[in-house]
Amino acid sequence: EADIYQTPRYLVIGTGKKITLECSQTMGHDKMYWYQQDPGMELHLIHYSYGVNSTEKGDLSSESTVSRIRTEHFPLTLESARPSHTSQYLCASSSTEFNEKLFFGSGTQLSVL
Amino acid sequence: AQSVAQPEDQVNVAEGNPLTVKCTYSVSGNPYLFWYVQYPNRGLQFLLKYITGDNLVKGSYGFEAEFNKSQTSFHLKKPSALVSDSALYFCAVRDLNTGFQKLVFGTGTRLLVSP
Repeated sequence: EADIYQTPRYLVIGTGKKITLECSQTMGHDKMYWYQQDPGMELHLIHYSYGVNSTEKGDLSSESTVSRIRTEHFPLTLESARPSHTSQYLCASSSTEFNEKLFFGSGTQLSVL
Repeated sequence: AQSVAQPEDQVNVAEGNPLTVKCTYSVSGNPYLFWYVQYPNRGLQFLLKYITGDNLVKGSYGFEAEFNKSQTSFHLKKPSALVSDSALYFCAVRDLNTGFQKLVFGTGTRLLVSP
C-alpha cells in the first residue's frame, strides 16, 4: 500500500567504499526521514527534510549525508563506509499535517565488512 | 521532551487469547499517539492513532488501543491473537515542541503468538 521505495534491499560492501542508499516516494509528501535501526531494536532519527533543499540532522549523530533536490527523492550517502555503519536504514515520508502517519519503505540492510 | 515507554521487551500469548502490549507516555500538552508494527525484514506499518475523541481507537488487522489520560497509557489490544500477529510493535508520540514535530518511538515490544 505504501508508495515509498528503497533500493537496494540488501548491500554488502567493503570498508572505505562510498555508497548511496536510494529512497523515493510518489505521494507528494513534503516531509521525509531517515531512521537507523539495529536488528529488532528501536529506531533512531538520523536525518529529516521539510521539503526541497531542506535537510537537517536528527537525534542520532551520523556520518552520513542526505540531499533533497526533488520532492520525491531523498538519498542517503556514506562517503567512506565502516563496519560501525552496519545497520538497517529505513526511509519514511509524511504529509505536513501533524496528525498524519508516516509511510515507511522496506528498508536497506547494510553490512560493511 | 515528549517520550513513550514500552516496559516489556517481549510478550508471549497463545493463539486465540487476548493480547495487550503496553505503552506509557510523557508529554506536555495534548498527546498525539501512534502504534506501528514491523514484520520481519520489513519497514514499519501504521496501525492506529489517537488525536482526540473516543478513548478507544480502532485500527488495522483487528487491533485497538485504549487511551487513558489518568494513567498516561496507550495500550495496544486485540481480543483474539493470531500467529500472524507475531511481530515487533512500536508505540510513538508526536513531538509538538519542535518545529519539525517528529515522531518519537519507543524501544519496541516483540509479540510472539504461539499456535
